[in-house]
Amino acid sequence: AQKVTQAQTEISVVEKEDVTLDCVYETRDTTYYLFWYKQPPSGELVFLIRRNSFDEQNEISGRYSWNFQKSTSSFNFTITASQVVDSAVYFCALTIAYSGAGSYQLTFGKGTKLSVIP
Amino acid sequence: GAGVSQSPRYKVAKRGQDVALRCDPISGHVSLFWYQQALGQGPEFLTYFQNEAQLDKSGLPSDRFFAERPEGSVSTLKIQRTQQEDSAVYLCASSEGGLTSTDTQYFGPGTRLTVL
Repeated sequence: AQKVTQAQTEISVVEKEDVTLDCVYETRDTTYYLFWYKQPPSGELVFLIRRNSFDEQNEISGRYSWNFQKSTSSFNFTITASQVVDSAVYFCALTIAYSGAGSYQLTFGKGTKLSVIP
Repeated sequence: GAGVSQSPRYKVAKRGQDVALRCDPISGHVSLFWYQQALGQGPEFLTYFQNEAQLDKSGLPSDRFFAERPEGSVSTLKIQRTQQEDSAVYLCASSEGGLTSTDTQYFGPGTRLTVL
């Protein structure tokens, strides 16, 4: 079974501060995919990034960056120079490649609520 | 192109009533997923369709929950004899490929169900 842990329930930062959201995962499979989704107050889950287990390169997209480390089973997300529009709940999720049973459903963490104060 | 849409956005039901929640996936997407999100929690998987075939229903919490996707496009999640513990946001997601693709899932806005 897969498990995703987001230990930070809520984080508050002042606008323009950097913030890192932690994600630790557990799986016995060697082929898996990690995701981050953003859930603003409107409720829709917005896809941010996908990484596969064979690609440990860090990724940067504008103010967002992701640090994937298999050695510590972590996939952390950093927002640089945070803005009020970044306020949302952020979910880390995991799925494994299809292995003959079930489907590629996502296993989510409990989410981290980020509040950016102006 | 249009994203995933869901209706209604909000539904209030009295305990014991039946409800039907609709999902319109992204056009052409083969896979469709339903998730349940309790307040303050992450979404939890309910069921999966590849076209019209329901290939995984391991997450459905009871036989009161039923889902269908008869023409491989629109899907309906039905909950019979609703209970208070069914109160949650029901999210639908679709992805382009089928079972072996592990494609990214794109989510709709959800239906918030409140059972009184």
